[in-house]
Amino acid sequence: GENVEQHPSTLSVQEGDSAVIKCTYSDSASNYFPWYKQELGKGPQLIIDIRSNVGEKKDQRIAVTLNKTAKHFSLHITETQPEDSAVYFCAALGANQAGTALIFGKGTTLSVSS
Amino acid sequence: EAGVTQSPTHLIKTRGQQATLRCSPISGHTSVYWYQQALGLGLQFLLWYDEGEERNRGNFPPRFSGRQFPNYSSELNVNALELEDSALYLCASSLEGVWSNQPQHFGDGTRLSIL
Repeated sequence: GENVEQHPSTLSVQEGDSAVIKCTYSDSASNYFPWYKQELGKGPQLIIDIRSNVGEKKDQRIAVTLNKTAKHFSLHITETQPEDSAVYFCAALGANQAGTALIFGKGTTLSVSS
Repeated sequence: EAGVTQSPTHLIKTRGQQATLRCSPISGHTSVYWYQQALGLGLQFLLWYDEGEERNRGNFPPRFSGRQFPNYSSELNVNALELEDSALYLCASSLEGVWSNQPQHFGDGTRLSIL
C-alpha cells in the first residue's frame, strides 16, 4: 500500500524567509496530492492540492511542485508570516489494503518568529 | 456555507465502554471519511462511507465501525474502548468519492479521552 514520508518534522524560520517541506510517496499509481494546515485546536484545512497531470501549482505565497518520476512533492511558502505557524501535512491518494484512501505524512511543525 | 460539524467536542469514557461520535458533512457532499489522530502518529485513515455504504476501511480492528444515514450524516462507533483509543477523531467530507479526486474538507474533531 501507499506510504508517505514527510521531512522535516520541525522547521523554524524567521519572518519573511521561505519554508520548504518535502514528501515522498511509494505508490506510482497515486494521482492526487493535497496539503493541509492544522492550527492548535482545529481540524486540518486544505491549503493547496495538485493532480498528477500538473508539475507545479501556485496560490499567492504558496506553491506545490510534483515530480512523478522521483515520486516526491514539495510545499513552498514564501515571505512567511507568524500566522503561517502551524502543523502542515502532506497526503497522497493511493492504495491501502482495502482500496483507495488518502494517506498522510506525519506532519511538519512550522514556527515563524518575528 | 456551513463546514463539516462534529459532536461532541470532547468525550470522556472509561475502558470497556462504548463511544459514539457524530458528523454532519458539508451540504451536497455525499462522501464521509473518518480519521484517527493520535499523538505523534499523524492522521490514520479509519473509514469511508459513500451513499450509505462502507467503501473502504483502514487497518483498525472491527470494534471500530460506523454508518452513514440517508441525509449523508455519519456516526463512528468504538466498542470495548481501550486506553490507546484516546485520540482526536476527525471527520471529512467530499463532493464525491475518492475516485473523483475531490478535496476532502475536515471538521474540528472530537477529542476522545479514555480513563
